[in-house]
Formats: sequence, structure tokens, C-alpha cells
Amino acid sequence: GENVEQHPSTLSVQEGDSAVIKCTYSDSASNYFPWYKQELGKRPQLIIDIRSNVGEKKDQRIAVTLNKTAKHFSLHITETQPEDSAVYFCAPATHNQGGKLIFGQGTELSVKP
Amino acid sequence: EAGVTQFPSHSVIEKGQTVTLRCDPISGHDNLYWYRRVMGKEIKFLLHFVKESKQDESGMPNNRFLAERTGGTYSTLKVQPAELEDSGVYFCASSQDRVNTEAFFGQGTRLTVV
Repeated sequence: GENVEQHPSTLSVQEGDSAVIKCTYSDSASNYFPWYKQELGKRPQLIIDIRSNVGEKKDQRIAVTLNKTAKHFSLHITETQPEDSAVYFCAPATHNQGGKLIFGQGTELSVKP
Repeated sequence: EAGVTQFPSHSVIEKGQTVTLRCDPISGHDNLYWYRRVMGKEIKFLLHFVKESKQDESGMPNNRFLAERTGGTYSTLKVQPAELEDSGVYFCASSQDRVNTEAFFGQGTRLTVV
């Protein structure tokens, strides 16, 4: 089955700095690569996703890059703000697995004002 | 439009008791998933319904867990009898199309078995 590794497990940055979280997966059939954000006590929410035919996608301060050859994708947050503090999960999925998400271990991002 | 709702938000039960969690997906979403996060670890898949049918229950820990989705609307997840290791946050998610589509999560049920 799919093996997902996410690094780092914790990340602390100063407000305004950039943050990068990397997710490595094992199943070459994975074709959907979302990132979820979970604030303390709240539900996980999709913040950005990318399909296997695209290498990079941006949405304001957030971007995701995909390297299918190396089987990893990364979340990039620029100009971080305190409200970006949360746990971030990558969750690659495969078409023939019914859409179930295989989550990474999570990265706790702390943005210090 | 209402999002995914879960009941109860918290539940504290004694070992050996039974607990039933409920999930109401977004109306019209055929796909319903159950996930669990134990002790701050990763969120793990439990099972997947397409309408009322179990599509994939490979993540169910053991036969103490029973999920149903009668009529293809809301779903229940029953744990009987509960064990200490069942403690965690149980999330439900729904989606319209299982292929590369956003899954909308409920707020979760925090289950504590004492």
C-alpha cells in the first residue's frame, strides 16, 4: 500500500518568512495531491491540490509543486502570518483506490509574530 | 449549504461500553469516508461508502467496529465493546466524485475511553 512521509514534523518561522513542507509517497499510481490544514480543534480543510498532469499550482501565498519522477510534492507558504499556524497534512490519493486519502504524519507550523 | 456534521462532538465512555457516532454528509454527496486520528498521529482511513454500499473497509481496525449507511444518507459508526486504544478523534468526510475531488470534513467526534 501507499507509504507517505511528511517532513518536517514541526516548523517554526518568523512572521513574513516562507515555509516549505515536503511529502514523499511510494505509490507511482497516485494522481491526486492535496494539502489539508487543520487549525486547533477544527476540521481539516483543503487549502490547495494538484493533479498529476500539472507540475505547479499557486493560489495567492500558497503553492504546491509536484515531482512525479521523484514521487514527492511540496507545500510552499510565502509571507507567513500568525493565522497560518496549524497542522498541515499531505494526503495523496489514487484513482483506483476509490478516492481515499492516505495522510502524512502532519507538520505543525508555528508562525511567530 | 450545510457542511458535514458529526454527532456527538465529544463522548466519554467506559471500557466495555458501546458508542455510536453519527455523520451527516453534504446533501447529494454519494461518497462518505470515515477516518480516525489517534493521539496526535496521522489521520488514518477507516472505510468508504458509495451511497449505501461499503466500497472499501480495509482500514477498519477489527470487528468491534461496525459502520452503516442505510438509505445512502447519514452514516453511523458503532464501537462495541470500546477499548482504551479506540480513543481518538473520528472524522467523517464526503465528496461528490471520488476521482480527484475535494473531500469535505466534519468537525470530528472526540472519543475518550476510560
